[in-house]
Amino acid sequence: DAGVIQSPRHEVTEMGQEVTLRCKPISGHDYLFWYRQTMMRGLELLIYFNNNVPIDDSGMPEDRFSAKMPNASFSTLKIQPSEPRDSAVYFCASSFPDRGRGREQYFGPGTRLTVT
Amino acid sequence: DQQVKQNSPSLSVQEGRISILNCDYTNSMFDYFLWYKKYPAEGPTFLISISSIKDKNEDGRFTVFLNKSAKHLSLHIVPSQPGDSAVYFCAAKSKALGGSQGNLIFGKGTKLSVKP
Repeated sequence: DAGVIQSPRHEVTEMGQEVTLRCKPISGHDYLFWYRQTMMRGLELLIYFNNNVPIDDSGMPEDRFSAKMPNASFSTLKIQPSEPRDSAVYFCASSFPDRGRGREQYFGPGTRLTVT
Repeated sequence: DQQVKQNSPSLSVQEGRISILNCDYTNSMFDYFLWYKKYPAEGPTFLISISSIKDKNEDGRFTVFLNKSAKHLSLHIVPSQPGDSAVYFCAAKSKALGGSQGNLIFGKGTKLSVKP
C-alpha cells in the first residue's frame, strides 16, 4: 500500500515567490494534518482537516499561509509570499477515525523548503 | 509553553544495552501517548503507544511506561541495536485540546545513537 505522498521533496525558491506543497493522504483516512519542523520549534501542527473540512488552523503562522483540501485524496499548503524564515521541512500526515486505539498518524516523507 | 518536553536532546548507548528515552508532560487532560521514530530525510513513523488508563505497554524490544502521578513516560529499548539510531519523538493527545479530535502535541525529540 502506498503511504502518504508529498511533492515536491525539495523546493528552493526566492523570497517573495509563491510556494505550493502537495499531499496525497492514505486512502480511507479521514484526517489530514500539515506540520512544520524546524530546529528551534521542533514539530508543530499548522492545520488539520477532517473529511476535507478544516478543523483547527490555529497553528498557521500568518495570513501568508493557506491550506485547502478539495477532495479526500488531495491537499495543498500554499505560502504567498514566501520569506526566508519559512525555510523548514513540511510534513503531511493522515489518520483513520479513532476506534478506541488512539489516533496514530502516518507521515509522508516531507518537503524540504528553502527560501533564499 | 511546551506541554510535552523531552529534556535530553541526545543519548548515546552501546549496542546490546538498554536505551531509555524520557518524556514529561504538563497537561493532565492528555489521554493517549505515542512514540515516533524518525530517520534522516524520512517522515516520523509510529512506534508504540499507551493509553492513560495503563501504565505499561510492550511490543517486542520496545516498552513504554507511564507514570501519571509524575506526568512522565519513558521508552525502553532492549537490547539496543545500531538500526535503532534515530530521533525519537514523544507525542500526546487530548480530546479536550480546543475540542479537536486527534490533535497530537509533539516533543522536540531525542537523538539516539547506538554504537556497535
